Amino acid sequence: QSVLTQPPSVSGAPGQRVTISCIGSNSNIGARFDVHWYQQLPGTAPRLLIFGSTNRPSGVPERFSGSKSGTSASLAITGLQPEDEANYYCQSYDNSLGAFVFGTGTEVTVL
Amino acid sequence: QVQLVQSGSELKKPGASVKVSCKASGYSFTNDAVNWVRQAPGQGLEWMGWINTYTGTPTYARGFAGRFVFSLDKSVNTAYLQISSLEADDTAVYFCARAGGSCSAADCFCRNWGQGTPVTVSS
Repeated sequence: QSVLTQPPSVSGAPGQRVTISCIGSNSNIGARFDVHWYQQLPGTAPRLLIFGSTNRPSGVPERFSGSKSGTSASLAITGLQPEDEANYYCQSYDNSLGAFVFGTGTEVTVL
Repeated sequence: QVQLVQSGSELKKPGASVKVSCKASGYSFTNDAVNWVRQAPGQGLEWMGWINTYTGTPTYARGFAGRFVFSLDKSVNTAYLQISSLEADDTAVYFCARAGGSCSAADCFCRNWGQGTPVTVSS
């Protein structure tokens, strides 16, 4: 069981906006540790999507954006594309565990 | 361009050992830590720990101290993960990842990933 909870799945039609939540606590996100997001296409290695809660690495489309507030963070995908079908994971640091932690993961389906 | 190339898939018997390699190129190897991440079949990502590529000092997450050892060969820009006394529950894909940020300052993420090494433990 991870200390960062994500919805198991979200779905949307092409062109729609979807959001994925990452619910933490005062020992991780609420303690102002940054949140990072990864995309994992089926059968491949994860890819960094967002770092430092809101920053996109070069090459990541602008339709991906991150935000953080209180003890939670969110990843938004605007203008959903078929190639966005993947699993998405948040990641942060937990000072109670003294470790970096990944979220439970969310499967995005494009209808 | 930055690349992390891992060794190929492994099939091992319970009780055996395995050593996974992760060869880095395209950046200064000793500038950034290397993280190790495990993914069991059909499961999510699990952070195993990281190694300081400048000093060689490893840091292990809970549950990964003892049978799991991180090491380096800086002469060939390669990080290693060795697992001893393999158990069926060690069956997973193991990823190495170049760190971004500062792992020692609790501000660390996985900037670039290796392709993953599947390890299967079966009698």
